[in-house]
Amino acid sequence: AQSVTQPDIHITVSEGASLELRCNYSYGATPYLFWYVQSPGQGLQLLLKYFSGDTLVQGIKGFEAEFKRSQSSFNLRKPSVHWSDAAEYFCAVGTLLTGGGNKLTFGTGTQLKVEL
Amino acid sequence: KAGVTQTPRYLIKTRGQQVTLSCSPISGHRSVSWYQQTPGQGLQFLFEYFSETQRNKGNFPGRFSGRQFSNSRSEMNVSTLELGDSALYLCASSSRGSSDTQYFGPGTRLTVL
Repeated sequence: AQSVTQPDIHITVSEGASLELRCNYSYGATPYLFWYVQSPGQGLQLLLKYFSGDTLVQGIKGFEAEFKRSQSSFNLRKPSVHWSDAAEYFCAVGTLLTGGGNKLTFGTGTQLKVEL
Repeated sequence: KAGVTQTPRYLIKTRGQQVTLSCSPISGHRSVSWYQQTPGQGLQFLFEYFSETQRNKGNFPGRFSGRQFSNSRSEMNVSTLELGDSALYLCASSSRGSSDTQYFGPGTRLTVL
């Protein structure tokens, strides 16, 4: 069965510092991978996605992620964090279902705190 | 295009009652999925509807049900509410629901007292 692991529950970085959030997945086939961000009391906003092709994908708000099949990882990075990036970040793998649709399996999330 | 909308945003119910949540997908999207988010269990898939048919279902009891209308709007119903049903319920829409990206609404916060 598919699963997603986000090993860091909380991360604190200083504003202007670089950021890397880790994500490891378990999935038998070629995965569809996503990063979403959630601000308090809000829904999930899509940051970026990987379906196929170039393993380095660019997203919104200056985020990027790199798909590494050999390590089953899809880590999210940002070169310089802004205070407004403080939020919870979720990595997810999309699973194609026999019914014809798909579902997302999420990691437990990483809470990012930004120190000014 | 307008995003996914969910109503109501907040809801307070008591144990044993039932509740109906509504979701309007992005215009042109035909697939609607529902997820439950709790601090203990995280984000879990409830079910997915496509063209008015439930296509997939997660591992939730039969008290959780839903439907989709011809205009792709979806409703989710929870009967005989339990304290553990307190959660943020998120709706997501996608174009066809196969390998498409899912776009989420703001959620409905349900509190069961």
